[in-house]
Amino acid sequence: AAGVIQSPRHLIKEKRETATLKCYPIPRHDTVYWYQQGPGQDPQFLISFYEKMQSDKGSIPDRFSAQQFSDYHSELNMSSLELGDSALYFCASSGRDRGETEAFFGQGTRLTVV
Amino acid sequence: KQEVTQIPAALSVPEGENLVLNCSFTDSAIYNLQWFRQDPGKGLTSLLLIQSSQREQTSGRLNASLDKSSGRSTLYIAASQPGDSATYLCAASNTGNQFYFGTGTSLTVIP
Repeated sequence: AAGVIQSPRHLIKEKRETATLKCYPIPRHDTVYWYQQGPGQDPQFLISFYEKMQSDKGSIPDRFSAQQFSDYHSELNMSSLELGDSALYFCASSGRDRGETEAFFGQGTRLTVV
Repeated sequence: KQEVTQIPAALSVPEGENLVLNCSFTDSAIYNLQWFRQDPGKGLTSLLLIQSSQREQTSGRLNASLDKSSGRSTLYIAASQPGDSATYLCAASNTGNQFYFGTGTSLTVIP
């Protein structure tokens, strides 16, 4: 079965650079979630989209933005990167309109800011 | 907002033992609760989802229960195996728009 695909899997950026993380949800899933997991920490919610509209917002810095496109894939844009942004970034999807409320997570993008 | 707590933070058991992991949440107006497994540096693998109208779910050697009134969920693992060694996370959702994660229980099953 198709899973949530995230790209790239690893990314190294310098301070003050920009990064774009991509997420391709499970086909026919209408909800996408973004999470950030720092070393030894639990995942922290950043933002979610339902049917291409932002549905909830968590602790996402103003330097970050995200959107969901017409094909339901989502991108997380991160600007003016700081050392503290180094973390594992997860995307998850679910199909709420289909009654599929179970969230499936991708393998994550490991971002290292140097 | 949900505050999710998991105890114990770490657990070490000999192979073959049955064990229980605990998860507490503060808001009983829960939409669903999901248990995940995470191996070091890896993604989150969904184990079980319990909807707010359900009391428990079972998958193989795993059984998860949900008690909304007391704000608790438990994950029961039967006949533990070394391959079960991982961090187990529970996540509660009030609306389906986001999940609140606990800090996890790190499980080590000793051969």
